[in-house]
Amino acid sequence: AQSVTQLGSHVSVSEGALVLLRCNYSSSVPPYLFWYVQYPNQGLQLLLKYTSAATLVKGINGFEAEFKKSETSFHLTKPSAHMSDAAEYFCAVTHTGGFKTIFGAGTRLFVKA
Amino acid sequence: GAVVSQHPSWVICKSGTSVKIECRSLDFQATTMFWYRQFPKQSLMLMATSNEGSKATYEQGVEKDKFLINHASLTLSTLTVTSAHPEDSSFYICSARLGTGLSSYNEQFFGPGTRLTVL
Repeated sequence: AQSVTQLGSHVSVSEGALVLLRCNYSSSVPPYLFWYVQYPNQGLQLLLKYTSAATLVKGINGFEAEFKKSETSFHLTKPSAHMSDAAEYFCAVTHTGGFKTIFGAGTRLFVKA
Repeated sequence: GAVVSQHPSWVICKSGTSVKIECRSLDFQATTMFWYRQFPKQSLMLMATSNEGSKATYEQGVEKDKFLINHASLTLSTLTVTSAHPEDSSFYICSARLGTGLSSYNEQFFGPGTRLTVL
């Protein structure tokens, strides 16, 4: 069975500071991993994805994530937070051929001026 | 990129009525679409997987007679909430899977969601 754990339901950073959102996964087969962002009353927007190519994945809006198999982690980072980054972030996992995507509980990112 | 639309974006209805939500893939054909439900400040919970031309597969605990799903074409899936009650109020999000093979990379594209409020 697959699962995703996001550590920290809320993360608060100052504008310009490093953003680190944590995600650990559990999967018995090689996973595909995703980070999505959701703004209030909107659907999900894909930030980046890991599909068994490069372990360091770069996404939109300056975000990146590194797949670490030994740690079963896929943490999301951004060097410098912007006010517009304030949103809900979801980590998700699926596997090759899988028809189900499992979402983490989400992490709300607050950015302080 | 692939675009998925939902209609309506929000709906308010009286208890006991039925509400239909449409999910369309605008620029690609989707053999598989998914329906999710999201309660306030919570994650997305998969309700059912909809395959074109066949019956939907519902997740455990989801009433199939309550949430009717039809996937009549490769670009349209509908979710009908029958005899809606206030506890059915939620944010419903659909997604469409790009790729038809079991071994293909299965990126999903999400619709903007539909806010259902049952009075």
